Amino acid sequence: GESVGLHLPTLSVQEGDNSIINCAYSNSASDYFIWYKQESGKGPQFIIDIRSNMDKRQGQRVTVLLNKTVKHLSLQIAATQPGDSAVYFCAENAYSSASKIIFGSGTRLSIRP
Amino acid sequence: KAGVTQTPRYLIKTRGQQVTLSCSPISGHRSVSWYQQTPGQGLQFLFEYFSETQRNKGNFPGRFSGRQFSNSRSEMNVSTLELGDSALYLCASSLTLATNEKLFFGSGTQLSVL
Repeated sequence: GESVGLHLPTLSVQEGDNSIINCAYSNSASDYFIWYKQESGKGPQFIIDIRSNMDKRQGQRVTVLLNKTVKHLSLQIAATQPGDSAVYFCAENAYSSASKIIFGSGTRLSIRP
Repeated sequence: KAGVTQTPRYLIKTRGQQVTLSCSPISGHRSVSWYQQTPGQGLQFLFEYFSETQRNKGNFPGRFSGRQFSNSRSEMNVSTLELGDSALYLCASSLTLATNEKLFFGSGTQLSVL
């Protein structure tokens, strides 16, 4: 199947601090990127997306940064809250594979009170 | 607008049985994709349906099949279940087949094979 093995790195953040989750994508031809949040027992939830003609996009408490030169994507969450605890996946569109998008391996975000 | 709906939420089967999972996409969405999620393998693409036709297929055996109805609702079937089929099966919908549009997921069906 098309997926990266799931050895989840964990990011532990103090409640109220900002979180930065990083992702390296694989295909320089990818032009659309999505961040998903998956809570335990639920499906991935769309957070924010960005197209390759942009390098930054902001949503409510979240910002996505795209660096096409080094094929790097990051998700910044401002003032992290307990409800932000989840696994976060980046995804890129996939022109050369059967799947519409390719998911990264995910990062587990843990919030310290 | 209602989100992607998957039924049933949980399912327990025994080896050798077959199972059918259902997915109702967001209203107006015509593409439905299915993914298998396991702790060891992450999210793996099964197949994508659009206009009642399978358009793309991942690397899964023929025991995994699906179909889409005229109202865009989709079902996937797994025959001759194996222990390794235990997983969270996720359905995702999008407006078209385009690869540069949002993909919305349901909550999944947790399948346990005993």
